[in-house]
Parts: sequence; C-alpha cells; structure tokens
Amino acid sequence: QKEVEQNSGPLSVPEGAIASLNCTYSDRGSQSFFWYRQYSGKSPELIMFIYSNGDKEDGRFTAQLNKASQYVSLLIRDSQPSDSATYLCAVKETNAGKSTFGDGTTLTVKP
Amino acid sequence: DAGITQSPRHKVTETGTPVTLRCHQTENHRYMYWYRQDPGHGLRLIHYSYGVKDTDKGEVSDGYSVSRSKTEDFLLTLESATSSQTSVYFCAITPGQGTRLWGYTFGSGTRLTVV
Repeated sequence: QKEVEQNSGPLSVPEGAIASLNCTYSDRGSQSFFWYRQYSGKSPELIMFIYSNGDKEDGRFTAQLNKASQYVSLLIRDSQPSDSATYLCAVKETNAGKSTFGDGTTLTVKP
Repeated sequence: DAGITQSPRHKVTETGTPVTLRCHQTENHRYMYWYRQDPGHGLRLIHYSYGVKDTDKGEVSDGYSVSRSKTEDFLLTLESATSSQTSVYFCAITPGQGTRLWGYTFGSGTRLTVV
C-alpha cells in the first residue's frame, strides 16, 4: 500500500465550480502536509501547507487537515481554466528529512 | 525561478554510459533532493542530502549515486545508464527547520533519454 494516496482522477469541473482534491496518508506521526501544483511540462510549485487540524485558507484555496482520520484535502473555489493542472499531495515523514508524494490528481476546469 | 538551477535541461545518452546531473542552489538551504518522475508513478525519491557530505538513499536509489561537496551543489550520477532510467529528474531544496519549513522549491527539471 502506497504511503500517500490521492483520488486517481482525472477530475473535471466546470468553470466557477468547487474542485475537491483528497489525500490520505499512513504515517500517523506526520506533522507537515503540502499541496503542489504542476502544470504540464513544468516543475511542481508549492501552493499550500498545513500543520494543524482544521482549515487553512489562502485566496481561492482551502486546505483541510484531519489527523485522526489521516486525510488532507484541497478545495479550489471559483475554479478557473488556469487551475487546470496536476495537484500533488506530499507528507513529511516522521523523524526523517524528506516527504513522500502521492501520484497526483489531474484537474481540468472547462470554460 | 532564481535560487535553484539544474543542468543540463535535456540529455540523450547511450546505454552503459555514465551520466551526471547537476543541481545548484543559491539559497544556502540545508536539504537537497533528487526525485524522478514517470507517468503513473508520481515523484519518487532517489537520494537526498542533509548537509555537506551527508546523504541518504531514497526508495529508488539502485543504479544512482550522489555527492555533495559544497552546500550549493548536489550531483546525481547514473553509473551505467539503462533505458529504465529514462525519466524527468527534479532537484528540490528546503531549509528544513522545525515543522514549518519543509516545503520544497523545485528546479526546472532534466529530461533524460537513454537510448
């Protein structure tokens, strides 16, 4: 079983809708969680990080963390065609200076 | 983005030849990483470094070696390239302090083709 699992996608939403991306992880001791966005042919870019249970909002993006259930999610409100990309969930490993990535979910926002 | 550069950007090499990829940073970050990205496998860690001359293996380290003789440079060597090492290679850096500074900044990537 992979340590970080993301909903496989691809995910398609109409412009203006809410896109919901989910991620589960197996390391109960993990404290740091990240979302990266990767446009086709480009390198990943950090867009959100969360350390505490609950919600963290940044503009149209909201990250949600539930450590008891071992899941982290990313909501994109008012989705735009420019949000079309692959979104990677990453979890920093406990007692190790490295993160494990999920395989990513590809989002397409249709005008 | 300034701060991290990879070279070369593209390389085609023959099976059995050694290949070295370079990652250079100007951020003075402690941690540096080499990942490979393949369709269906996401980002997989090859090796990482937590200081000069301090390195550790990742999940797909076979056939690869690394060196870090200076804070700013992290080299990845394919000792004898095989077709299975055709991939996109990303270098990443992070300050790596406390719980808040573990987000990565990635380089632009190196597309390596082994023929």
